[in-house]
Amino acid sequence: GQSLEQPSEVTAVEGAIVQINCTYQTSGFYGLSWYQQHDGGAPTFLSYNALDGLEETGRFSSFLSRSDSYGYLLLQELQMKDSASYFCAGTRNNFNKFYFGSGTKLNVKP
Amino acid sequence: EAQVTQNPRYLITVTGKKLTVTCSQNMNHEYMSWYRQDPGLGLRQIYYSMNVEVTDKGDVPEGYKVSRKEKRNFPLILESPSPNQTSLYFCASRNGNEQFFGPGTRLTVL
Repeated sequence: GQSLEQPSEVTAVEGAIVQINCTYQTSGFYGLSWYQQHDGGAPTFLSYNALDGLEETGRFSSFLSRSDSYGYLLLQELQMKDSASYFCAGTRNNFNKFYFGSGTKLNVKP
Repeated sequence: EAQVTQNPRYLITVTGKKLTVTCSQNMNHEYMSWYRQDPGLGLRQIYYSMNVEVTDKGDVPEGYKVSRKEKRNFPLILESPSPNQTSLYFCASRNGNEQFFGPGTRLTVL
């Protein structure tokens, strides 16, 4: 089957760096995406890794290692507004089928 | 404003009473998809559509129907809702690697 595992909850302080890991067991994933969802809101796209390595977008970076079936989202200079749930997602069948992890709730404390 | 809209946002209904949740996007995206979100399970794909009149099953299609008669609209139909379909539903459209989600429809089936 397709499964993506993430920690259920992470807590960090404002200004710190936090890493949210995602390990997956699947076949044929094109790549790994990350989405952010605030309480009561819709998921919003953060990043996509098609190739191994690090992709940087401002304070957020995402990493993928296909050989290890592993990726992570790195959030730097944490702000209170980063408190949200973060989901990794794999895609198959030419970007038609998507599989999401169960999400990591990030709590940012002052 | 580029967006995905869903209606209704909230719905309480009874077992067996047919209902339709509408989804519309104004970004001219070919791909659209429906997800349900349940606590601890992340988002699970119900159906997707690659273009007008082209639809296919996602991971959890049982009890749902869809249609894609126009590019902008992708309604989700529950012909005989049951309590296990109580959930938060999201519609999304996709451009390249990025999915754009609607605001969600919270459905309760009594």
